[in-house]
Amino acid sequence: AQTVTQSQPEMSVQEAETVTLSCTYDTSENNYYLFWYKQPPSRQMILVIRQEAYKQQNATENRFSVNFQKAAKSFSLKISDSQLGDTAMYFCAFMPLSGNTPLVFGKGTRLSVIA
Amino acid sequence: KAGVTQTPRYLIKTRGQQVTLSCSPISGHRSVSWYQQTPGQGLQFLFEYFSETQRNKGNFPGRFSGRQFSNSRSEMNVSTLELGDSALYLCASTRQDGYEQYFGPGTRLTVT
Repeated sequence: AQTVTQSQPEMSVQEAETVTLSCTYDTSENNYYLFWYKQPPSRQMILVIRQEAYKQQNATENRFSVNFQKAAKSFSLKISDSQLGDTAMYFCAFMPLSGNTPLVFGKGTRLSVIA
Repeated sequence: KAGVTQTPRYLIKTRGQQVTLSCSPISGHRSVSWYQQTPGQGLQFLFEYFSETQRNKGNFPGRFSGRQFSNSRSEMNVSTLELGDSALYLCASTRQDGYEQYFGPGTRLTVT
């Protein structure tokens, strides 16, 4: 069974600074997707960034980038120039490409951006 | 294009009652997944429907059931509610050729 671990339950960062959220996963699969989702307080969960395991290049989306280390099964999220609107729960998620299998989520990291 | 919608947004029920939650996926999306979110357990997968067929099922008791209609709208039902069923229930839809899940705002269920 696949598992996703987010070892930082809570983090805080000053506005305009950079923060990195960690995520590790355990799988015997070779082909899969990894995702970071953001859930702001009392608001909808939205996809932040996606990484295909077969791609060596790390995904980036504006201020959000990942550090994908396949051998280490690590998938961290870096948020640059943090903004107050980045305050949210962040969930790391894993989906194998073999068969029709659901997303497996980590427990989440609560990020607070401080003015 | 409208996003995933869920109704109702909030619900208060009493132990022993049953409840039905509804989810309308993004137009053109045929896969609908349901998740239970609680502070203690995080996000747990309930089930997934594709073209009116349950394709995957999580590790939940038989009190939790679902279905999908021909227009891809989905409902989930919880019978004989327990206090521990209090949670945010999230629905997500996926394109047939995609892997990204798009989430609805959720239904907050409180069981008293």
